[in-house]
Amino acid sequence: AQSVSQHNHHVILSEAASLELGCNYSYGGTVNLFWYVQYPGQHLQLLLKYFSGDPLVKGIKGFEAEFIKSKFSFNLRKPSVQWSDTAEYFCAVNAYSGAGSYQLTFGKGTKLSVIP
Amino acid sequence: DSGVTQTPKHLITATGQRVTLRCSPRSGDLSVYWYQQSLDQGLQFLIQYYNGEERAKGNILERFSAQQFPDLHSELNLSSLELGDSALYFCASSFEPGHRTDTQYFGPGTRLTVL
Repeated sequence: AQSVSQHNHHVILSEAASLELGCNYSYGGTVNLFWYVQYPGQHLQLLLKYFSGDPLVKGIKGFEAEFIKSKFSFNLRKPSVQWSDTAEYFCAVNAYSGAGSYQLTFGKGTKLSVIP
Repeated sequence: DSGVTQTPKHLITATGQRVTLRCSPRSGDLSVYWYQQSLDQGLQFLIQYYNGEERAKGNILERFSAQQFPDLHSELNLSSLELGDSALYFCASSFEPGHRTDTQYFGPGTRLTVL
């Protein structure tokens, strides 16, 4: 079964700092990769997704992620964070689980706190 | 707004009780997923339905059950509730769960508090 690791549990940054959140997955086959964001008290929203093609994916709100197949990684980046980026970020992997189904597996999430 | 709706927003009940959570998928989506989010367990996949039939099961307790109706809305039934069942319950929907580019969109969640 696939698994997803987000190594940073809590990241604290000042506004305008650059952000990189790590995500590694374990699965040997073709995967689709997602980053979701959960603002305080809200539901998960899709930030960006990678299916194929250019490994550098741009999402909403200035976020981007890079898929590095050799490292089984899909790290999330933003050049300059804002206070409004304070949220929890979840990496997820969609991989074939058999019998015509795909299963979405989430990492445990990384809390980002941005200090004004 | 993802287009996925969930009711109620909040639910407070007592141990031993039974509750039903409701989810309506985005227009056109055939598949519904249920997740439980708690502080200690993180986001856990519970169960998936596709066009009325159970498609996949995750870490769902035997006290919990779900179904998807002909109009594609889904209900998650939680019975013999325990304190540890207090959590956020999210529903997600997608169009093509058998396709690798399938994307899940999440509803606003139901916060369940068991006292």
